[in-house]
Amino acid sequence: QQQVKQSPQSLIVQKGGISIINCAYENTAFDYFPWYQQFPGKGPALLIAIRPDVSEKKEGRFTISFNKSAKQFSLHIMDSQPGDSATYFCAASMVAAAGNKLTFGGGTRVLVKP
Amino acid sequence: ETGVTQSPTHLIKTRGQQVTLRCSSQSGHNTVSWYQQALGQGPQFIFQYYREEENGRGNFPPRFSGLQFPNYSSELNVNALELDDSALYLCASSLDNGVYTFGSGTRLTVV
Repeated sequence: QQQVKQSPQSLIVQKGGISIINCAYENTAFDYFPWYQQFPGKGPALLIAIRPDVSEKKEGRFTISFNKSAKQFSLHIMDSQPGDSATYFCAASMVAAAGNKLTFGGGTRVLVKP
Repeated sequence: ETGVTQSPTHLIKTRGQQVTLRCSSQSGHNTVSWYQQALGQGPQFIFQYYREEENGRGNFPPRFSGLQFPNYSSELNVNALELDDSALYLCASSLDNGVYTFGSGTRLTVV
């Protein structure tokens, strides 16, 4: 059962443009929503995360928008740079639960063209 | 502060063999989780250890087993390897606050 659905699977954006990745979840008990960035041959690295009590969080060029009623959240990468070319994963978890596993989306491969 | 380190980085095994993967948690982290990431997919949760006890398990058969040691390092053991076990195996550690740091993984190829 895929509890976190991510789209699109791939994305091509020009340098300076905006990359937008969307995720939808099913389990309303999720209370922590991180985004990870993964480069080839490396493990996922935490980029930014949000809790459901806020609707938006911004860190530098990265912004998470969260819509609790729609059970959706998205990552916006502003002023995209070639160095942002990577695979991005959304995830969700129940922090207070024993064995608070991360449930990942399928990933979005982003290519930023110079 | 050191991050999460995994060994080996690459491994080739024959179907039916057994394999042990190792993980050193980030300093001070008492929780370690293991994930399997097939090519082109998101990581899938295998199991989690908290203070040497398994406290969560994903949809993986019993031939996937693990250990966490008093220094919070961990092992993942897989018996009777199958071709579909070929994947990147990721270790992640946490202070039990849900914020995980991942290692670079072990690339396992089963032939």
